[in-house]
Amino acid sequence: SQQGEEDPQALSIQEGENATMNCSYKTSINNLQWYRQNSGRGLVHLILIRSNEREKHSGRLRVTLDTSKKSSSLLITASRAADTASYFCATANDYKLSFGAGTTVTVRA
Amino acid sequence: EAGVAQSPRYKIIEKRQSVAFWCNPISGHATLYWYQQILGQGPKLLIQFQNNGVVDDSQLPKDRFSAERLKGVDSTLKIQPAKLEDSAVYLCASSLIGQNEQFFGPGTRLTVL
Repeated sequence: SQQGEEDPQALSIQEGENATMNCSYKTSINNLQWYRQNSGRGLVHLILIRSNEREKHSGRLRVTLDTSKKSSSLLITASRAADTASYFCATANDYKLSFGAGTTVTVRA
Repeated sequence: EAGVAQSPRYKIIEKRQSVAFWCNPISGHATLYWYQQILGQGPKLLIQFQNNGVVDDSQLPKDRFSAERLKGVDSTLKIQPAKLEDSAVYLCASSLIGQNEQFFGPGTRLTVL
């Protein structure tokens, strides 16, 4: 069974807009990671946030984590066409990852 | 630095046939993972190796799936016999021991007819 659930399932935005997706999970975690998957390719690690952290930034990415609500959000600012992909949250325990079903993001030019 | 290599990239077989996938992890990565990703879903861990030992194979359907990593470097995942529901992308990933970030290969897309 999959630990995380992303919301929404799909998102379509205009280039330059921000994209926000959420992830909820069920059990306690060591950390939560976000990965990107371009069509037909492998997953690429984007960012990791530890269970004792609340917010983290990396370039145009901002991740928040609320362990009391067992939820996380990923914000992509100033989106570009190259950001079109599926985004997965993955909860980590003992270096094992459990992935959600993903959010498909389409950035329109 | 070379990434995780997988072959073949695509495979089409008929049900009840056998198939094998190969993975070569990033050099120096002792931990290797095989995932199954069914269309529209996230990857599901099948098996985790550390060097040539199995750490977790609790979600591997052992009646038909097998995997090995004999010399602690590259790995093979086999399905015998294949079922229609095995149609998926099989992803290999590797990581350094004690590191959380996993590096994924491009995957093998399997279609079972």
